[in-house]
Amino acid sequence: NAGVTQTPKFQVLKTGQSMTLQCAQDMNHNSMYWYRQDPGMGLRLIYYSASEGTTDKGEVPNGYNVSRLNKREFSLRLESAAPSQTSVYFCASRRQVLNTEAFFGQGTRLTVV
Amino acid sequence: QQQVKQSPQSLIVQKGGISIINCAYENTAFDYFPWYQQFPGKGPALLIAIRPDVSEKKEGRFTISFNKSAKQFSLHIMDSQPGDSATYFCAASATYFGNEKLTFGTGTRLTIIP
Repeated sequence: NAGVTQTPKFQVLKTGQSMTLQCAQDMNHNSMYWYRQDPGMGLRLIYYSASEGTTDKGEVPNGYNVSRLNKREFSLRLESAAPSQTSVYFCASRRQVLNTEAFFGQGTRLTVV
Repeated sequence: QQQVKQSPQSLIVQKGGISIINCAYENTAFDYFPWYQQFPGKGPALLIAIRPDVSEKKEGRFTISFNKSAKQFSLHIMDSQPGDSATYFCAASATYFGNEKLTFGTGTRLTIIP
C-alpha cells in the first residue's frame, strides 16, 4: 500500500528554470493538496483540488501552477524558479467526506540557487 | 495572516514529564481540529483529532483539550518518551463552498531528554 507518492525526493534548480513535482495517490481520494514547509512558517497551502478537473488557490499560490491530471495524480509546476521557492513541498490527499484524515507524501526538498 | 497560532515554537521536556502544546484560532467556521506528528525526513501523520462538540479526547498518552468559547485547543502528552521527539502541528479545517481546507499552525519542535 503506497499511499501518497511524490517524485522527486530532492531537486536543485537554477533561478529561472522550470520543473514539475509529481504526486500520485492510490487511496481513491477525491481531494488533493500541495503544501510548502518552511522553518517557523509551518505548512502553508499552495493549491488544492477538491475533485478531478477542479483546482483552487490556497494561501501562497504565486509562482506555481497545478494540474489535476486524473483522480490519482496532482502535479505542481514552477514555471520560473526563484530562490524564495526553496522549500520542502508536501502533497496530501483526503477522502471528500467531512473531517477526515489527510495523508501526506514523504516530501520533495527543493533548492533554488 | 496566521489563522491558527501555535506555541511554543520549541519545547524540551524530561522523560516521564508532561508536554503541552497550545493553539488558538479566530475563524469560527473551523469544525475539525487535528494534530499531526512529523519525524525528520518524513511527511506529517495524523496523531489525534477532535470535533468542537466535545471538550476533551484521549488516545493513550495523548489528550486534546478543547475550549470552544476561548477558541483554543491544546495537546497534552503524558509520560513523555524520547520516541515522542518530533515536530507537532495543530491544524483546523473548515469547508468553503463544499471544499475542505486544512490550515496548519507553525509547528512545535518537541525534544524529550532522558
